[in-house]
Amino acid sequence: RKEVEQDPGPFNVPEGATVAFNCTYSNSASQSFFWYRQDCRKEPKLLMSVYSSGNEDGRFTAQLNRASQYISLLIRDSKLSDSATYLCVVKNQAGTALIFGKGTTLSVSS
Amino acid sequence: DAGVTQSPTHLIKTRGQQVTLRCSPKSGHDTVSWYQQALGQGPQFIFQYYEEEERQRGNFPDRFSGHQFPNYSSELNVNALLLGDSALYLCASSLFRSSYEQYFGPGTRLTVT
Repeated sequence: RKEVEQDPGPFNVPEGATVAFNCTYSNSASQSFFWYRQDCRKEPKLLMSVYSSGNEDGRFTAQLNRASQYISLLIRDSKLSDSATYLCVVKNQAGTALIFGKGTTLSVSS
Repeated sequence: DAGVTQSPTHLIKTRGQQVTLRCSPKSGHDTVSWYQQALGQGPQFIFQYYEEEERQRGNFPDRFSGHQFPNYSSELNVNALLLGDSALYLCASSLFRSSYEQYFGPGTRLTVT
């Protein structure tokens, strides 16, 4: 089983749509969780950290369910500029390495 | 405040050759991690350097080695290149054992022919 697994994608949605990405992780001792965004041929950039209480940043909402080892990202009112690959990321137990999922590609069209 | 910088941007090498990639961390950061991202995959952790020592290593062969200098910059060396080493190599900087994010550089795209 892979350490971090994501929805296969790609997701093709119209502007204004709501889209949800899901992710599961295998190591129950993991402590830190993130969503990174990666544009084509660019480096990953932090979109948001994910906390057990859930957190929201504008149109983006992230949630963590430790019992199910499940992470989600919800994007409301999708914009063309949201088109990118979204990477689910878990920091390893030692707090050193980031473990990435394969990524889910989102394409928002007008 | 300069972010993470990497050089070179692109590199083409032949099988069997050796390559050195360089990284300068974000100002104030003391830890450098290296990742390999093959096409269509998420980045994979190679190793992390702190205080000029390799602190943790991912599942990569000994052909991959590194170094960290007193100014916190780092090098990634790959010997005996294989076609499968073609990838985007990303450097990330952070504070050691911090729960905060790692900041990534723009990467070096290595093509092995």
